[in-house]
Amino acid sequence: SQQGEEDPQALSIQEGENATMNCSYKTSINNLQWYRQNSGRGLVHLILIRSNEREKHSGRLRVTLDTSKKSSSLLITASRAADTASYFCATVILTGGGNKLTFGTGTQLKVEL
Amino acid sequence: DGGITQSPKYLFRKEGQNVTLSCEQNLNHDAMYWYRQDPGQGLRLIYYSQIVNDFQKGDIAEGYSVSREKKESFPLTVTSAQKNPTAFYLCASSLTGGSGYGYTFGSGTRLTVV
Repeated sequence: SQQGEEDPQALSIQEGENATMNCSYKTSINNLQWYRQNSGRGLVHLILIRSNEREKHSGRLRVTLDTSKKSSSLLITASRAADTASYFCATVILTGGGNKLTFGTGTQLKVEL
Repeated sequence: DGGITQSPKYLFRKEGQNVTLSCEQNLNHDAMYWYRQDPGQGLRLIYYSQIVNDFQKGDIAEGYSVSREKKESFPLTVTSAQKNPTAFYLCASSLTGGSGYGYTFGSGTRLTVV
C-alpha cells in the first residue's frame, strides 16, 4: 500500500521559478524523507525531517511538515534544468522488524529553459 | 568508495524460471531493503532486513524470497510464482537507530520476462 500521495503528479515550470510539491500520508510517522530519481536510475536522498520538526532547509530545498494534517511540502527555489527529475516523499514508521520506509507515488518535475 | 552495488543492470528471464538479483553494500549499514518500481509508479517494498539472519515481508512479498547471511549482502530471488515480475528492482541500505537516517540506493536491476 502507498503511504504517501504526492500532488501534483506532474509539474512543468520555467528555469528560475520555484517548484512546490506536496505529500500527504495516512499514519503516524517517525520521520519523512524526500528523494529524487532521474529517469531509469536509483534514488538519491535529499532531505529528512523528523516528526518533531516543522521546517528544514538544505541549500535550495525547503521542507515543511505538518503532523496534524499528515502532510509535507518540498520547495525547490530558483529551479534549474538539472532539477528535472521525479521527486518522491517517503515516510518511516517503526515496526517490530525495524524501520519501514514507504514511498508515495511521486511528482514528475520538468524545468524548461 | 563506499556504496551499494546491484547486479546485473539488465536481466532477461524466461517464464517459469527463478532468478536472483544481487545487492552488496560496503557502507557498514545494518538495514537493507528491496523495492519494486513499475513504470510511472512509486516504489513498493518487497522485503527488508534489520540484522543478519533476520528479514521481514514488505507490502508485496508474494513470489519473492531473500536471505541475509552476511551484513553486506541481501540477494533477492524472483521465483516462478511471481505472476508479473517484469519491473525495475531497487536495493537500499541504511543505518538504524536514533531518529532516522536517509537511505542509500543502488542503481537498480531491470528485469524483463521473455
